[in-house]
Amino acid sequence: DAKTTQPPSMDCAEGRAANLPCNHSTISGNEYVYWYRQIHSQGPQYIIHGLKNNETNEMASLIITEDRKSSTLILPHATLRDTAVYYCIVSGSSNTGKLIFGQGTTLQVKP
Amino acid sequence: GAVVSQHPSRVICKSGTSVKIECRSLDFQATTMFWYRQFPKQSLMLMATSNEGSKATYEQGVEKDKFLINHASLTLSTLTVTSAHPEDSSFYICSAYSSGGAETQYFGPGTRLLVL
Repeated sequence: DAKTTQPPSMDCAEGRAANLPCNHSTISGNEYVYWYRQIHSQGPQYIIHGLKNNETNEMASLIITEDRKSSTLILPHATLRDTAVYYCIVSGSSNTGKLIFGQGTTLQVKP
Repeated sequence: GAVVSQHPSRVICKSGTSVKIECRSLDFQATTMFWYRQFPKQSLMLMATSNEGSKATYEQGVEKDKFLINHASLTLSTLTVTSAHPEDSSFYICSAYSSGGAETQYFGPGTRLLVL
C-alpha cells in the first residue's frame, strides 16, 4: 500500500501558484519524498525529490515540514500544460528503491 | 533529465500470442529497472524489479511465467507477455535508475497493449 495521502483532486487558475499537499506520517529516516506527474497516456515525469531540506528546481519547489510528516509541492505559475495527475511517493533504500504509486492528485489548471 | 525509451509504443496482437516490450536507458546505465502496469483510470501497479544479470523479482500476484523479464545489459530490459489474453490489455511502463546523484527513477513513455 502507498504510504502517502493526497487529496483526489484540485483546481488552480492559470498563472497562479498550485500548492499540492501530501501526508506521509509514517516516513522513515532514510526515505526520500518524490514527486512525479503523469499527463494522460504518457509515462510519469520526474518533478523533484527531497529528504528533509526544502528543494527547488526549474519545475517546482518542495517544502517538507520539520517533522517530515508532510510536504507540499509548489508549481509557482501554473499553466494549462500542468494539468496532470501528481503523485507523492516516499521511497528509500529500505525498500530497494521501489516506487509504490497511490491514487495521486488530479490537478486541473483552468484558464 | 535522463531519457528512457520503450518500443513499441503500441501493439495489437491476437489472443494466445506473445509480445515483447523493450525498455532502454538512452544516456545512462541502469543496474535496476522496474516494470509497471496501468489499467484505465487506475494508478500504476508495480509488477517486477529487473536487475542486470540476475533474475527479476516479482510483486505478489504477478505471474513470473507469464511476464518474462530479461535484463541482459545495463541499458536494456525486456518484458515478454506470453500467451496474451484480452485481460492483459493494459498500459505497460518501465522505469530505470539514473546513476548520478541521489536515487531517482526515470520513466519510459509506456507501451499500450491491446489483445484481441
